[in-house]
Amino acid sequence: EVELVESGGGLVQPGESLRLSCAASGFTFSTYWMSWVRQAPGKGLEWVANIKQDGSEKNYVDSVKGRFTISRDNAKNSLSLQMNGLRVEDSALYYCARDLDLWGQGTLVTVSS
Amino acid sequence: AIRMTQSPSSLSASTGDRVTISCRASQGFNNYLAWYQQKPGKAPRLLISAASTLQSGVPSRFSGSGSGTDFTLTISPLQSEDFATYYCQQYYSYPLTFGGGTKVEIK
Repeated sequence: EVELVESGGGLVQPGESLRLSCAASGFTFSTYWMSWVRQAPGKGLEWVANIKQDGSEKNYVDSVKGRFTISRDNAKNSLSLQMNGLRVEDSALYYCARDLDLWGQGTLVTVSS
Repeated sequence: AIRMTQSPSSLSASTGDRVTISCRASQGFNNYLAWYQQKPGKAPRLLISAASTLQSGVPSRFSGSGSGTDFTLTISPLQSEDFATYYCQQYYSYPLTFGGGTKVEIK
């Protein structure tokens, strides 16, 4: 079955770090761009970052540049998002997406003191 | 960044109706536009890419059109399972950006 499963979300305080993971299965992971997209509670969708098939190109929304790092391990069919210096406004459901045509169910990140 | 503006932000309609959702971009591009459907508590589902290409498994009552700065998603006839929030998204340039969403509710 073609599937993306996110993990790693949780409750953290402002300034702390969190690492999200996404496990891919059922397709050839190494041939797709992969993205992270987030959605604050009751709000719309916001693209966060993406990474090319071989990891040679990464793109970020301005609000996370310098704080978040996207990476992938094609041997393990996994995608990661290292989030440092978290802010209250980073609180959201974080989705992993394959080329934006296949989405996981998301992992919730809450940043609060 | 390209700003995507959807209208209306919400609408009420009945099953069998024809529904049109507009998406306007702050700068023009060819057809690097996608439409998504999202139901409460679920992940978004890609309906249309390249402005008008229906994804596999998406019913033919969904259609997309437009180019440049103005794009449209049409649902006709509206079915009960279509009540959801719809988003447009441009993938012409970074950062990729979404419209604010259109919630389609039951009249």
